[in-house]
Amino acid sequence: GEDVEQSLFLSVREGDSSVINCTYTDSSSTYLYWYKQEPGAGLQLLTYIFSNMDMKQDQRLTVLLNKKDKHLSLRIADTQTGDSAIYFCAESKVGGTASKLTFGTGTRLQVTL
Amino acid sequence: DSGVTQTPKHLITATGQRVTLRCSPRSGDLSVYWYQQSLDQGLQFLIQYYNGEERAKGNILERFSAQQFPDLHSELNLSSLELGDSALYFCASSELGSEQFFGPGTRLTVL
Repeated sequence: GEDVEQSLFLSVREGDSSVINCTYTDSSSTYLYWYKQEPGAGLQLLTYIFSNMDMKQDQRLTVLLNKKDKHLSLRIADTQTGDSAIYFCAESKVGGTASKLTFGTGTRLQVTL
Repeated sequence: DSGVTQTPKHLITATGQRVTLRCSPRSGDLSVYWYQQSLDQGLQFLIQYYNGEERAKGNILERFSAQQFPDLHSELNLSSLELGDSALYFCASSELGSEQFFGPGTRLTVL
């Protein structure tokens, strides 16, 4: 079955890098996603990676995947106050027309001046 | 703006009542998903429709039902509401097998 775990809280100083971690249990082919949720808002898709990839970079965001340990991380370079939000890791199976997302608990990122 | 719209934004009702939440997917997306976000359960998948047909079911209560109409919009019906049903309800849409884009959510408060 699928299970996704994240740490609950991370505090970083503005300008530093943030690293948010996630572990998942499903060993089949899967997509892994990072979503951002700001207070009172919906979920914004940030990036995603397929389980046969090791890394994906998109501007300030870098996703690293360790398939052996089933560990996913999201690195935000030059973290800004506008990055303060809850970050959710999620996975979904590949194939067919059914593709529900299984979410982690979310990591609250606090950016301090 | 994800292109997914949900109405209403807020809904306040009493226990025992019935409500309908509405979702319009992004143009061209055939799949619609419903999720519930609550403090104790986190984000949980409820149900998925693809081109009008139910495709996957998650932890959806029997008091809840959904449908997807020929114009691809979807409605989530919640009946015999209980205090514990208070939550944010999100709709998402996607192309076949692709990433899901979320609407702004409907905040349901049951008093």
